[in-house]
Amino acid sequence: NAGVTQTPKFQVLKTGQSMTLQCAQDMNHNSMYWYRQDPGMGLRLIYYSASEGTTDKGEVPNGYNVSRLNKREFSLRLESAAPSQTSVYFCASRKSATRNSNQPQHFGDGTRLSIL
Amino acid sequence: LAKTTQPISMDSYEGQEVNITCSHNNIATNDYITWYQQFPSQGPRFIIQGYKTKVTNEVASLFIPADRKSSTLSLPRVSLSDTAVYYCLVVPVMNRDDKIIFGKGTRLHILP
Repeated sequence: NAGVTQTPKFQVLKTGQSMTLQCAQDMNHNSMYWYRQDPGMGLRLIYYSASEGTTDKGEVPNGYNVSRLNKREFSLRLESAAPSQTSVYFCASRKSATRNSNQPQHFGDGTRLSIL
Repeated sequence: LAKTTQPISMDSYEGQEVNITCSHNNIATNDYITWYQQFPSQGPRFIIQGYKTKVTNEVASLFIPADRKSSTLSLPRVSLSDTAVYYCLVVPVMNRDDKIIFGKGTRLHILP
C-alpha cells in the first residue's frame, strides 16, 4: 500500500497564479486533512473532511478551497496565490475513531510550495 | 478541543533517557493523548497514544497520571536519529467533526 500520496512534491508559482494540490489515500480512511507548516509554527489545520461529501474549515482556511472528490481523494486549491502562502503542505488521513479507541493520522511526504 | 502546552525545545545527549512533558489541563473524559514524531522534510508519524496509566511500545513509553492533566513521553537511550519535533495532541474519541489540531511541538536535539 502506498498510504497517503501527495502531488506535486515541489512547485513554484507566481503571485496571482492558481494551483491545485492533490492528495490520495488507499487505506479506506473516512477523514482527510490539509495542514500547512511554516518555520517555528508547527502544523496548522487548513481544512478537513470527516467523510465523503463534507468539508469544514480549520484554523487558517482563508485563501484556500478544498474538494473531497471521493473517499480516496482530497484536493486543496489556491485560487490566487500569495507570497504568504509559501509553505510546506501536508495531507493526512485517518480512520474514524470508535467508541473506545483513537485512530492515528497518516501523513503524506508534503508539497513544498513557493510563491514568488 | 483541549489545549496542550509543551516545551519549545530540549537538548540531550546520546544514550540518555529523555522525558518530554505535556500539559493538558482541560482534557475531557473522552479525550485520548497522542504523540507524533516529525523528522526534517517528512510528515509527522504516530508513535504512541494512551488514555490513562502507562503505555509502552518499541519506540517509547507514555506516562499519564490519574488526573490526566499532563502526560510524559519517555524515550529510552536516545540516539542522534531521535532528533526530531515531538507533538503532543489531545484527541476526542467520537468527535463527530473529527477536527485535529497540532501545536508547535517540542524540538528535541540530541548531541553526541
